[in-house]
Amino acid sequence: EAQVTQNPRYLITVTGKKLTVTCSQNMNHEYMSWYRQDPGLGLRQIYYSMNVEVTDKGDVPEGYKVSRKEKRNFPLILESPSPNQTSLYFCASGTDGVEYEQYFGPGTRLTVT
Amino acid sequence: EDKVVQSPLSLVVHEGDTVTLNCSYEVTNFRSLLWYKQEKKAPTFLFMLTSSGIEKKSGRLSSILDKKELFSILNITATQTGDSAIYLCAVVRNYGQNFVFGPGTRLSVLP
Repeated sequence: EAQVTQNPRYLITVTGKKLTVTCSQNMNHEYMSWYRQDPGLGLRQIYYSMNVEVTDKGDVPEGYKVSRKEKRNFPLILESPSPNQTSLYFCASGTDGVEYEQYFGPGTRLTVT
Repeated sequence: EDKVVQSPLSLVVHEGDTVTLNCSYEVTNFRSLLWYKQEKKAPTFLFMLTSSGIEKKSGRLSSILDKKELFSILNITATQTGDSAIYLCAVVRNYGQNFVFGPGTRLSVLP
């Protein structure tokens, strides 16, 4: 089954404790992205990657890191989480060209206390 | 600063009504506009629009883009309770998959 998976789905952590949210896709897509979704603000792109070892900042990259060492994986790293990073995070993958359709993962709800 | 604006932000209708959702944008290096439906989970793709004036349809849903006036509309006819969701408008800019999303329109369809 074609899908994007994220882990963990729910996470409660404390300020300053490094964490990683994993994302994996099995559709051989070149493009992968991370978003955060906050009430009233819609989805905001954090980082995106056009291929292995190629990443670029979205609109809200501060406080986040990413890496793309393999085509299928695109982890999101919070080196020192803060309460303002409490949010719902989505990973997505897709292709370029005629269609820009993105396939979204199920989401990770992160709470930083 | 690039932005995507949607209106209304919230809408309550009854089954059978027709609704029109609006999306306007101010984005540099526009490439395409997309509509998504988000229920209690991840967004799912509805339409992609790249050219002005060409309507895209899928069942009771249709959408059109006006690149001169920088807006798009999403129409839903004969609404059903299953149409209740947040509808997101997004613009692809620059290259690759550099997206900017609007805040969404929350549609509630009452029986």
